[in-house]
Amino acid sequence: GAGVSQSPRYKVAKRGQDVALRCDPISGHVSLFWYQQALGQGPEFLTYFQNEAQLDKSGLPSDRFFAERPEGSVSTLKIQRTQQEDSAVYLCASSFTSGGAAETQYFGPGTRLLVL
Amino acid sequence: KQEVTQIPAALSVPEGENLVLNCSFTDSAIYNLQWFRQDPGKGLTSLLLIQSSQREQTSGRLNASLDKSSGRSTLYIAASQPGDSATYLCAVSGRSNYQLIWGAGTKLIIKP
Repeated sequence: GAGVSQSPRYKVAKRGQDVALRCDPISGHVSLFWYQQALGQGPEFLTYFQNEAQLDKSGLPSDRFFAERPEGSVSTLKIQRTQQEDSAVYLCASSFTSGGAAETQYFGPGTRLLVL
Repeated sequence: KQEVTQIPAALSVPEGENLVLNCSFTDSAIYNLQWFRQDPGKGLTSLLLIQSSQREQTSGRLNASLDKSSGRSTLYIAASQPGDSATYLCAVSGRSNYQLIWGAGTKLIIKP
């Protein structure tokens, strides 16, 4: 596709449910990033993939958060046993090569998660 | 720990005015600084990327400057238009050159 797509766009979950958020990066992009954006705040880094390898997961807030990119393209962010504090917009971004200092990240529209 | 601050949090100006948005960061050891635009319900769009060796970048009516030593960047918007209304965020590269540290953004409203 022409840009990064994410699905679903909106998700309402009851506390304790598991959710899975999908990201389709721009075709051919090597690097993929997940961010969490709370209301009124800037995004916060969650994790980074280069192809299928998860090179950095230092931003994942707890072991309830898990991300994968098994074939080096589509990625899924899974949140187990959701809590109210997980409510946020989850943004996915991709970049052409290694996501280095001079490279722009292209963002998807985000998935807005509301945990009741 | 790198911290990024944007002032003001919100700004409303009449159409046609020139304006400046501010971004400050606490650790000058950055790889780059980027300015993004975020529209409601849409993703972030990169506007300008300034590498650490550069002092400014220009794109159309936008000009971004970087002063690493003072930990500051400004985004100058000339001849503002209602379509410029959005939230503007700045982000600096963190300890890993791909990891972005973000400000909370400035919500800009341009009144027709």
